[in-house]
Amino acid sequence: AQSVTQLDSQVPVFEEAPVELRCNYSSSVSVYLFWYVQYPNQGLQLLLKYLSGSTLVESINGFEAEFNKSQTSFHLRKPSVHISDTAEYFCAVSGSTGFQKLVFGTGTRLLVSP
Amino acid sequence: GAGVSQSPRYKVAKRGQDVALRCDPISGHVSLFWYQQALGQGPEFLTYFQNEAQLDKSGLPSDRFFAERPEGSVSTLKIQRTQQEDSAVYLCASSLLQGAATEAFFGQGTRLTVV
Repeated sequence: AQSVTQLDSQVPVFEEAPVELRCNYSSSVSVYLFWYVQYPNQGLQLLLKYLSGSTLVESINGFEAEFNKSQTSFHLRKPSVHISDTAEYFCAVSGSTGFQKLVFGTGTRLLVSP
Repeated sequence: GAGVSQSPRYKVAKRGQDVALRCDPISGHVSLFWYQQALGQGPEFLTYFQNEAQLDKSGLPSDRFFAERPEGSVSTLKIQRTQQEDSAVYLCASSLLQGAATEAFFGQGTRLTVV
């Protein structure tokens, strides 16, 4: 079984400042890791994922996350946030075999203010 | 349609009433998932279909919850004798293939409020 911990329920930040959203996971098997974003009144959208290979993965809108196996972490970072990044961010894990049964964290609300 | 469609978007049910929530996945997607998201929580897995076969229903909280996908496309999640603790957003997701690496696309969800 897997579990995910997102320690920060809310992260306020000023526009153009850097941000890190923390995610730790536990699993007894090999995993895939995901970050999903949920904008107000919209469904969950995949932001980025780690399957294998390079431990640093990037999204098209400037976010990146690094898989750290020894620390069982998959923190999400962005060097300079925009107002439009305000949303709820969910970290999720699934086993790497079988179907994609996602286990989600409780989410982190990123609040970007001018 | 272009994405996963769920209906209704909002449902208010009196305690004890039966409800049916519909999911239209992306056309051709093999895999379909249902998740339950309580207020302030992350989504929790309910059940998984590969085409019309329900391969995992380990997340269904009780025998009042029932899901089907009879023709391998549209799916319905039914909740019998609703209770207040069933109040949540019910999310449907579909993916093209069955593997763990395949991207899942989520609908906007159905917000169920049991009064």
